[in-house]
Amino acid sequence: KNEVEQSPQNLTAQEGEFITINCSYSVGISALHWLQQHPGGGIVSLFMLSSGKKKHGRLIATINIQEKHSSLHITASHPRDSAVYICAVNGMNRDDKIIFGKGTRLHILP
Amino acid sequence: NAGVTQTPKFRVLKTGQSMTLLCAQDMNHEYMYWYRQDPGMGLRLIHYSVGEGTTAKGEVPDGYNVSRLKKQNFLLGLESAAPSQTSVYFCASKDRIYEQYFGPGTRLTVT
Repeated sequence: KNEVEQSPQNLTAQEGEFITINCSYSVGISALHWLQQHPGGGIVSLFMLSSGKKKHGRLIATINIQEKHSSLHITASHPRDSAVYICAVNGMNRDDKIIFGKGTRLHILP
Repeated sequence: NAGVTQTPKFRVLKTGQSMTLLCAQDMNHEYMYWYRQDPGMGLRLIHYSVGEGTTAKGEVPDGYNVSRLKKQNFLLGLESAAPSQTSVYFCASKDRIYEQYFGPGTRLTVT
């Protein structure tokens, strides 16, 4: 079983829909990251969080440490949001490597 | 700041050829990483470094070597390329508060 699981693996939605991508992890963490990768593109960090909730524009990330679960929400989705979204976690120690989920491929139809 | 840069961006190699991928960061980060990304596999750690002069194996180190002679540079070498090493390679560096910054990637094809 992977230490970081994302769901769904693939998601297609209409423009304007509210999108939720989930991430569950099984290890103790010091921080969780949400990353975005456009087709053929590089990897961009969207959020790093260790508790609560963060918001940036139409993107919202939440984390529940007790339940070992995080969600990434996109409000008023747009075709330019089409990308792979990757959840990743830092272990408890500074030297711990980052563990990545396999990503969620999001496709927003116009 | 340029952040994390990688050279080259694209490369095609024949089986058995060698090459070196260069990763450079100008953020004075201690930690640097090399990942490969393959369809359906996610990002997998090849090698990493926790400081100048140090390197360590990650999840998939076979067929690769690395060096960190200068703090700002992390080199990934393929001594004898194989088709199984066709992939997109990402370098990353990390600051002390766990934020990881990625390079733009190198797309390598081994024929």
